[in-house]
Amino acid sequence: DAGVTQSPTHLIKTRGQQVTLRCSPKSGHDTVSWYQQALGQGPQFIFQYYEEEERQRGNFPDRFSGHQFPNYSSELNVNALLLGDSALYLCASSQTGWEKTNEKLFFGSGTQLSVL
Amino acid sequence: GEDVEQSLFLSVREGDSSVINCTYTDSSSTYLYWYKQEPGAGLQLLTYIFSNMDMKQDQRLTVLLNKKDKHLSLRIADTQTGDSAIYFCAEKLRRAGGSYIPTFGRGTSLIVHP
Repeated sequence: DAGVTQSPTHLIKTRGQQVTLRCSPKSGHDTVSWYQQALGQGPQFIFQYYEEEERQRGNFPDRFSGHQFPNYSSELNVNALLLGDSALYLCASSQTGWEKTNEKLFFGSGTQLSVL
Repeated sequence: GEDVEQSLFLSVREGDSSVINCTYTDSSSTYLYWYKQEPGAGLQLLTYIFSNMDMKQDQRLTVLLNKKDKHLSLRIADTQTGDSAIYFCAEKLRRAGGSYIPTFGRGTSLIVHP
């Protein structure tokens, strides 16, 4: 079992560009959540995908969008990049119903995005 | 507010006990968690406690929960250099859409020196 995998591990972009980050959930998991972790901060919830739809969203602008595919993998897209978007982007997977139980939330190692 | 609060730094000697403290926000949170993050890595779940418990012990880890004060602590016995990492406290908050989303503190950086 490969666990949660994210790609790429590192990425450098310039202001105004667009970026796509990818995540494959742990085998058996159908729900994917994305978090942004700025330097020295805790992870901040961006959104969660289940059944190919955005189920819940945090306080992030529309420049942040996502997608979930039939195989449960997911993408995070960020348009019109700003310097402040530089952060570690973490993907976490779980099984639906996790919120009501104590099924573990598994995190990937993240994609480090630097915006210059 | 929705801030889970933690002290930012803790420095201990190898072999001593470490105690990391956290104040969470919602007295109705059902589960509270401690995650560990090593440099360049994602978050790893260390342990958790259900809200109807006061204490949970798991090998070198002891979690204490004070629901009245919304205070959570993690004690690491016989702290080793390999325990050096950032430790995050998290609670499950019910959001407006009905989903429970983990909300994290800023993390406590634990430094263990010989």
